[in-house]
Amino acid sequence: QVQLQESGPGLVKPSETLSLTCSVSGGGSITRYYWSWVRQSAGKGLEWIGRIYLSGSTNYNPSLKSRVSMSIDTSKSQLSLKLTSVTAADTAVYYCTKCDYGDSGMDVWGQGTTVTVSS
Amino acid sequence: SYELTQPLSVSVALGQTAMITCVGNNIRTKNVHWYQQKPGQAPVLVIYRDTNRPSGIPERFSGSNSENTATLTISRAQVGDEADYYCQVWDASTEVIFGGGTKLTVL
Repeated sequence: QVQLQESGPGLVKPSETLSLTCSVSGGGSITRYYWSWVRQSAGKGLEWIGRIYLSGSTNYNPSLKSRVSMSIDTSKSQLSLKLTSVTAADTAVYYCTKCDYGDSGMDVWGQGTTVTVSS
Repeated sequence: SYELTQPLSVSVALGQTAMITCVGNNIRTKNVHWYQQKPGQAPVLVIYRDTNRPSGIPERFSGSNSENTATLTISRAQVGDEADYYCQVWDASTEVIFGGGTKLTVL
């Protein structure tokens, strides 16, 4: 079964770029599925950041679209997330998730990685 | 933009039935997914496409979707069911949307 593991810097300075990686193991080709990034600020609800599927098609949350980019590295079975011009409001736990197809529900989640934006 | 509204909290007596609602305009036309999140853990999918349970999810968990309200029902509630629950849909204008979450307390 597919397993996901997020990684990246735990601390990012304001105005800089947040870069995270999600390593995918098990489950065959990474291009089979839809992959989303979801974040959760302390004590708050879940916020969808965006998703990537097939060989690189993307959809982004309209509220973050101008700052987000996602990519897939099939050779490494990794997903990446970049969020530019971060502020304290971007401090959150970031999860990568898997969907079997576009509207099937996120059936696999990584454990999440905490990112703090602070100088 | 599309919005989903959940009650902030729901309480249920041990062994009784809990119902958590998710209200959205004409939500019956959408596939609703439900997630359970316990403190310090990642969310877990408990219901997908309105009524389907992933493998490993107890039969006590069920879902329904009608008109403007989708409902997650937890029968014979246990202390281990205490968690935050989120509904989620896909909408053409806003893509993936989560409800605000409901904290379930088992008394």
